[in-house]
Amino acid sequence: AIRMTQSPSSVSASTGDRVTITCRASQGISSYLAWYQQKPGKAPNLLIYAASTLQSGVPSRFSGSGSGTDFTLTINCLQSEDFATYYCQQYYSYPFTFGPGTKVDIK
Amino acid sequence: EVQLVESGGGLIQPGGSLRLSCEASGFTFSRYSMYWVRQAPGRGLEWVSYISDSSSTMYYADSVKGRFTISRDNARNSLYLQMNSLRDEDTAVYYCARETTGLDYWGQGSLVTVSS
Repeated sequence: AIRMTQSPSSVSASTGDRVTITCRASQGISSYLAWYQQKPGKAPNLLIYAASTLQSGVPSRFSGSGSGTDFTLTINCLQSEDFATYYCQQYYSYPFTFGPGTKVDIK
Repeated sequence: EVQLVESGGGLIQPGGSLRLSCEASGFTFSRYSMYWVRQAPGRGLEWVSYISDSSSTMYYADSVKGRFTISRDNARNSLYLQMNSLRDEDTAVYYCARETTGLDYWGQGSLVTVSS
């Protein structure tokens, strides 16, 4: 199975900051990577697919990049509603593994 | 409006069985592959199972293989997860989700608690 790692595991930031989260796959997954946002008690919400394509309705302050094994989610000008946990997921091969998550909380 | 509504969760003893359902509406269910994803309390997301639109292909996580069975009824717009030989470590919120590129719609989740 492809193992996904994320760094950092948590980050403290302030409104208006730029936050960058890294996701690494244990083997190449081309661009078959998605990013999700999850708030406490809620289902995850798809932000980005195909590594860099913004899902419809997602604010443009979110962006994704990368291919192969290394990927990045960037949140520009952090807003209060962005404090949440973020997960990457590869859908290159089964099992479609998730990363362990990165919690973005208020500094 | 796309909606996925899970049901069937609850408290069950170890070794018991439970069947989760996910009722879909607002889209042509038969055209989409579907997933089950679970989240243990305070933990991250774990992919559990996948079924193709026509039920021709199914996949399972190693942690549930041989114990869980995914199925669907396209006439009823419903997805199912039959869970047998349940263990303490199966305790989680179970989500159904629709696949496009990534999982674009998720249900609200159904809590399964395995405990004696």
